[in-house]
Amino acid sequence: DTGVSQDPRHKITKRGQNVTFRCDPISEHNRLYWYRQTLGQGPEFLTYFQNEAQLEKSRLLSNRFSAERPKGSFSTLEIQRTEQGDSAMYLCASSLPLSSNEQFFGPGTRLTVL
Amino acid sequence: AQKITQTQPGMFVQEKEAVTLDCTYDTSDQSYGLFWYKQPSSGEMIFLIYQGSYDEQNATEGRYSLNFQKARKSANLVISASQLGDSAMYFCAMREGHNAGNNRKLIWGLGTSLAVNP
Repeated sequence: DTGVSQDPRHKITKRGQNVTFRCDPISEHNRLYWYRQTLGQGPEFLTYFQNEAQLEKSRLLSNRFSAERPKGSFSTLEIQRTEQGDSAMYLCASSLPLSSNEQFFGPGTRLTVL
Repeated sequence: AQKITQTQPGMFVQEKEAVTLDCTYDTSDQSYGLFWYKQPSSGEMIFLIYQGSYDEQNATEGRYSLNFQKARKSANLVISASQLGDSAMYFCAMREGHNAGNNRKLIWGLGTSLAVNP
């Protein structure tokens, strides 16, 4: 399968713990996006990368959130000192900037903070 | 600020009939793109159709068509010949910039839950 993959698919953690999610984009895609989706809502933009450069971060992304894409391939999203309000689906998407209008989404990581 | 409004929280349609899902948008940009995505209960976002603000013809993709009315700032999705597998959440989204070279973040609506009845 050559689609976008995310790991883990589900994560349950206790409040105050750190969690890290991974996203592997489609191999030739140089743009990678992170979105967060809470129950009953549409996705909210968090951040995006072109290659290894983080080009934009949402004001929603507090200091507890950090994202990296060190080699311009896979990306990680880390949440430090998790709070119950962080419970959501975290979606990753990738795209080509010049030849495609579409963002391809992965299956998401569902985070539950107890 | 950009905004997407989907006023129908839930819709029902009989199998084989057509259904229209509403989407209105607000932007001050002259150049933008509009998308529809489907999200089944499994959670994955599936791209359906795209309309650029400078595209003169309404986009069509199989059973999906986009009724683009620029002056009214609406981009309604029409699904023809509904199938049971069409039951899902449907999201309208907007991106700044018309060309794929400006493939930046998407701004999303709240979604419409569609149920197809046999």
